This record gives sequence, C-alpha cells and structure tokens, in this order.
Amino acid sequence: RKEVEQDPGPFNVPEGATVAFNCTYSNSASQSFFWYRQDCRKEPKLLMSVYSSGNEDGRFTAQLNRASQYISLLIRDSKLSDSATYLCVVGTGNQFYFGTGTSLTVIP
Amino acid sequence: DAMVIQNPRYQVTQFGKPVTLSCSQTLNHNVMYWYQQKSSQAPKLLFHYYDKDFNNEADTPDNFQSRRPNTSFCFLDIRSPGLGDTAMYLCATSREEQAVTEAFFGQGTRLTVV
Repeated sequence: RKEVEQDPGPFNVPEGATVAFNCTYSNSASQSFFWYRQDCRKEPKLLMSVYSSGNEDGRFTAQLNRASQYISLLIRDSKLSDSATYLCVVGTGNQFYFGTGTSLTVIP
Repeated sequence: DAMVIQNPRYQVTQFGKPVTLSCSQTLNHNVMYWYQQKSSQAPKLLFHYYDKDFNNEADTPDNFQSRRPNTSFCFLDIRSPGLGDTAMYLCATSREEQAVTEAFFGQGTRLTVV
C-alpha cells in the first residue's frame, strides 16, 4: 500500500470555480502534512502546511482529519494561474512521502 | 533569493559517462535530501543526510552515490548513467531530522542520458 495516495486527475475547471483535492495517508504515526504546488518542469514549492484545526490562506483552505487519515485542499474562485500539479506530502519519522500529484487546469 | 541552489539546471550526458550534480544551501539546515522525479511521477527519495550521517534508501541503485563535505554542499554522483536515469533530480533541505517542518527544494537538475 502506498504511503500517500491522491487522485491524479486531471481536473479541468472553469475560471471562478471551486475545486477540492483529497489525499489519504497510510501511517497513523505521521506527524506533518503539507500541500505543495509544482509547475511543469519546475521544483515543488510549499503552498501551505496542514493542521488538525484547519487553515486558510486567501482562496486556499486545507483540512486534516487524523481519524480518517485524510487531507484536503479547497481552492475557491480558481484563477488561470492556479493551473499546476498539487502534491500532497506527509512527514513520517525522518522522511517526507509524496503523493503522485493532482493535475489542475483552469480554463478561461 | 534562492536558498537551495542546484547546478547545473540542465545536463546531457552519454550513456555510461559519470556525472555529478551539485546542491548548495544558505539555510544552514541539518538535513539534505536527494530525490529523483520522472515524468508524471512523485519524487522518489534516493538518500538523505542528517549532518554527515548518510541514509541510503534500500532501493537506491548502487550506481548512485552522494557526498556531503560540509553543511552547505551536497553532491549526487551517478557513476554509470543508464537511459532509465533520465529524470529531474531535486535537492531539498529541512531544518530537523524528523520531518516536522517543511522541505525546501532547489530548482532541480534535469538530466538527460543519451
């Protein structure tokens, strides 16, 4: 079983739409959770850390459900510039485990 | 300002010709990682250092070696690259040995083996 699983998509949404990505992780001892954004042929960049209390940064909201071992990312009012691959990353022990990423394309 | 710097950004090498990729960081982080990322796949950890303590992943080929001469620099040596080693190689750093705070990535080296 993979450490981190994500729906690879692709998600094609119109500008202004709300889109949600989900991620599950297998190790209940995992201690840290992140969403990274990766543009084509570029490095991953931290979008936001994810906490049990949930956190919001502008149009982006992340949630963590430890009981279900589930992480989500909600993007409201999608912009063309949001088009990218979104990677779910989980810290377990001394390693980071990556999902395969969810591809998002925002269409004019 | 870039905090994790990888050189070169692009590298083309011949099958079997040794190649070295470099990574430097200005964050003074204890932990440095090397990942291999192939097209449409998640980054795959090759090895990591906590200070000078080297940790090799069980499935990292022997063809891949690493050196960390000091806190700031880390190198990835591929002794005899094969066509299947064509990939993006990402260096990352983290402040703590336990993966609690986020990893910072360099811009990557895109390696093509011909």
